[in-house]
Amino acid sequence: GAVVSQHPSWVICKSGTSVKIECRSLDFQATTMFWYRQFPKQSLMLMATSNEGSKATYEQGVEKDKFLINHASLTLSTLTVTSAHPEDSSFYICSAMSSYEQYFGPGTRLTVT
Amino acid sequence: DQQVKQNSPSLSVQEGRISILNCDYTNSMFDYFLWYKKYPAEGPTFLISISSIKDKNEDGRFTVFLNKSAKHLSLHIVPSQPGDSAVYFCAASTQIQGAQKLVFGQGTRLTINP
Repeated sequence: GAVVSQHPSWVICKSGTSVKIECRSLDFQATTMFWYRQFPKQSLMLMATSNEGSKATYEQGVEKDKFLINHASLTLSTLTVTSAHPEDSSFYICSAMSSYEQYFGPGTRLTVT
Repeated sequence: DQQVKQNSPSLSVQEGRISILNCDYTNSMFDYFLWYKKYPAEGPTFLISISSIKDKNEDGRFTVFLNKSAKHLSLHIVPSQPGDSAVYFCAASTQIQGAQKLVFGQGTRLTINP
């Protein structure tokens, strides 16, 4: 089946620093990847759609200058949380499209202190 | 504005019985519906889906029913097993500018009691 990995699985960083999260499709190519965040006991909220070779499309209310997305290849998308603040602490999940299905990565737990 | 709603945050079912998880949606443009299972600190895993042109899809112990007129779908698990204990998310899909987008419900925590 389609496998999506994320790295790192968890990260702790200090307020004001930047953190990069990688999302890889391991056994398929994905022209489209998605980034979600999930707060405790809440739904997954779509942050942005990442398209290979073009700019990401951000959902309303998501700061594109704060959450930088780069989809440099058909198997890799990165999310960089810039100048992180404690309120950015969350569980970030990526997914990759294969056929008509989205396959999700295992998620990255970000804690900003 | 919550377009996909799972009104039951939790559900407890006896092992061997049927588990029924419900989901309501408001956007009639949704054309595809999916159920995902999620364990803590992991990404969602796909369970089963249904196209808006169907009213039922079955896969082993899992059956999804879609009632378009009521904008309601449900996931039936029978018989329920302890390993089914997890959070279940329903999601609705629509095509926007050529891209599929998923909108998730809040999730229902299912606990199967032995």
